[in-house]
Amino acid sequence: DAGVIQSPRHEVTEMGQEVTLRCKPISGHNSLFWYRQTMMRGLELLIYFNNNVPIDDSGMPEDRFSAKMPNASFSTLKIQPSEPRDSAVYFCASSRVGTNQPQHFGDGTRLSIL
Amino acid sequence: AQTVTQSQPEMSVQEAETVTLSCTYDTSESDYYLFWYKQPPSRQMILVIRQEAYKQQNATENRFSVNFQKAAKSFSLKISDSQLGDAAMYFCAYRSANGGATNKLIFGTGTLLAVQP
Repeated sequence: DAGVIQSPRHEVTEMGQEVTLRCKPISGHNSLFWYRQTMMRGLELLIYFNNNVPIDDSGMPEDRFSAKMPNASFSTLKIQPSEPRDSAVYFCASSRVGTNQPQHFGDGTRLSIL
Repeated sequence: AQTVTQSQPEMSVQEAETVTLSCTYDTSESDYYLFWYKQPPSRQMILVIRQEAYKQQNATENRFSVNFQKAAKSFSLKISDSQLGDAAMYFCAYRSANGGATNKLIFGTGTLLAVQP
């Protein structure tokens, strides 16, 4: 089975531009998570969805960040406008619903804001 | 709030030897899950092993095993017969067994493991 698929793998853009990161979870997984990894803060949860509904977005840093899950097989994380401090690796993960279910991660998107 | 601490930023082991990575956590909950994830230079996050807090038996996955000490809030990872492919960053993570908003993984800062040939 295909794992979690993220695109793009790398993104370099200039400050002020809109950035959209995409994620396709594993088929049959009902929970989807967006994490951000930086040297300063390590890995931190931004937002997660259960059955396409946002459950916890307390990790979203500010209004410039937004996430959507229009259907069970697709999610986006958008940053508008982007800033250099948003540079990080962004991971998407999915699991079956339930806290005993392991989360499977995508390969991440390395985002660089110049 | 729950926290996860990995006190060893870097570790080194000789190929074929055994190494233990440390992890401690803080929680007031009695039911939770603990995980070790491996992140090689390719950047993937790979689940290595997991432990349910209600189970006394330590989890084992081939060359990987844990030493789970619930009272001490300790969750160390032992890698036996280390291989060059084990070289990676290893993250310890905690997840509450309560549903809803506590479903997130809380990660430690990681331990970078080098394997010497």
